[in-house]
Amino acid sequence: DQQVKQNSPSLSVQEGRISILNCDYTNSMFDYFLWYKKYPAEGPTFLISISSIKDKNEDGRFTVFLNKSAKHLSLHIVPSQPGDSAVYFCAARPLGNQFYFGTGTSLTVIP
Amino acid sequence: KAGVTQTPRYLIKTRGQQVTLSCSPISGHRSVSWYQQTPGQGLQFLFEYFSETQRNKGNFPGRFSGRQFSNSRSEMNVSTLELGDSALYLCASSLVSGSGYEQYFGPGTRLTVT
Repeated sequence: DQQVKQNSPSLSVQEGRISILNCDYTNSMFDYFLWYKKYPAEGPTFLISISSIKDKNEDGRFTVFLNKSAKHLSLHIVPSQPGDSAVYFCAARPLGNQFYFGTGTSLTVIP
Repeated sequence: KAGVTQTPRYLIKTRGQQVTLSCSPISGHRSVSWYQQTPGQGLQFLFEYFSETQRNKGNFPGRFSGRQFSNSRSEMNVSTLELGDSALYLCASSLVSGSGYEQYFGPGTRLTVT
C-alpha cells in the first residue's frame, strides 16, 4: 500500500522560474513530512520539513506547503537553478512510526 | 558538526556469508534508521533505533538485524547473504527540534553479493 505518492515522475523548468513538486498521502495520522533531494549514486539530502500543525514552512528558496484537508504536500523552489536538477522525494510518517517515501520526481532545470 | 558516517563504503561478499555495516549518527542525534535502496524498489525501511531500543521494524526477513550502542552508533547485520541483498544501505540519524523534524542520511554502504 503506497501511503505516499508522487504522481509526476519528471518535471522540467526553465532556470529562474518556479519549480513545484507535489506529493499526496493517504494517512491522516501523519505528523511530520520531509522533502529530500537526491543525486545519482548518493544518499538523499534533507531539504526541509513541516509538521502537521503547520501549513507552510520556508527555508531560503524552498517552501513547503501542507494542505491537510486535501492530504497534499508541495515543495516550491524559487528561483530554480540548474544545480537543483535532481530527484526529489517526499516522506511522511504516522506518529512515532517509520517514514514512508514517495517514488520520487526527477527535476530538470534548463539553463 | 560532522555528518552521518557509514563504514565501509563498499563491500563485496559471496552468497551465504554474513556482513556487518556500521553507522555513526550526527552528534546529539539519538535516533538511527536503516534503509535499503535498490533501483527497482526504491527506498525501503529496515528498522529504527532510539536509545538502544528498536522502535520500528520494516518488512524484512529475520536475516536482517541491527543494534544501537549507548553512544548512539548503530550496526546492521545481514546473515546468509542472498544475491537479492545487493543494494545501497543507508543509515539516517534524526532529531526533533524547535525547527521541526530533521533526518539526515549518510553516504551509504554499497553491498554487492556475488
